[in-house]
Amino acid sequence: QLQLQESGPGLVKPSETLSLTCAVSGGSISTWPYYWAWIRQPPGRGLEWIGHIYYTGSTSYNPSLRSRVTMSVDTSNNHFSLKLNSVTAADTAVYYCARQSGGDTSGQGDYWGQGTQVSVSS
Amino acid sequence: QTVVTQEPSLTVSPGGTVTLTCASSSGAVTSGFYPNWFQQRPGQVPRALIYSTSIRHSWTPARFSGSLLGGKAALTLSGVQPEDEADYYCLLFYGGAQGWVFGGGTKLTVL
Repeated sequence: QLQLQESGPGLVKPSETLSLTCAVSGGSISTWPYYWAWIRQPPGRGLEWIGHIYYTGSTSYNPSLRSRVTMSVDTSNNHFSLKLNSVTAADTAVYYCARQSGGDTSGQGDYWGQGTQVSVSS
Repeated sequence: QTVVTQEPSLTVSPGGTVTLTCASSSGAVTSGFYPNWFQQRPGQVPRALIYSTSIRHSWTPARFSGSLLGGKAALTLSGVQPEDEADYYCLLFYGGAQGWVFGGGTKLTVL
């Protein structure tokens, strides 16, 4: 059974960089046709797709966040990461990692992490 | 920036039928947008229900069905159960430049 688990600081200061990692277990991150995504949900609001990465390192980002987002993948350790720089209070959210499939062959978000709360505050 | 619009809220009686829709500001939603639907109960992680417009995941009850309706993606719940009370989100694909975009969500009340 595939499992995803987010980790990282729960509190980030304004203007600093938010860094999260998603550990994948029960399956290889280097598997076609799966992409590895970050999705967030501000308190009391809806879901926002941040972007995804393929095991080769190919990325796709939400245009509204593209200038501040970097995703990376570590196939040796079976995890992928998110960095979001110059954060503000508007970046306060629950951050989820999830699996997406290319060509929608098995759907988007069939597996999710439990989510991690990140607050931006001084 | 493309906007994906859903009904903010809907109410349905137990045993009834309700249809949630998902519209794109760029025009009609087609199968090429690969519509996906998710359910999120309060305090829980979102759960995938439908992909590629109408394909149920193995864990999705048969009372959930997806379709295209009048230029929108649609999720129909038939024989609604109390446990179906939740937020529902659609997700559409806009290609490499924009990637994937979630709708704003529909809060479904079973009353």
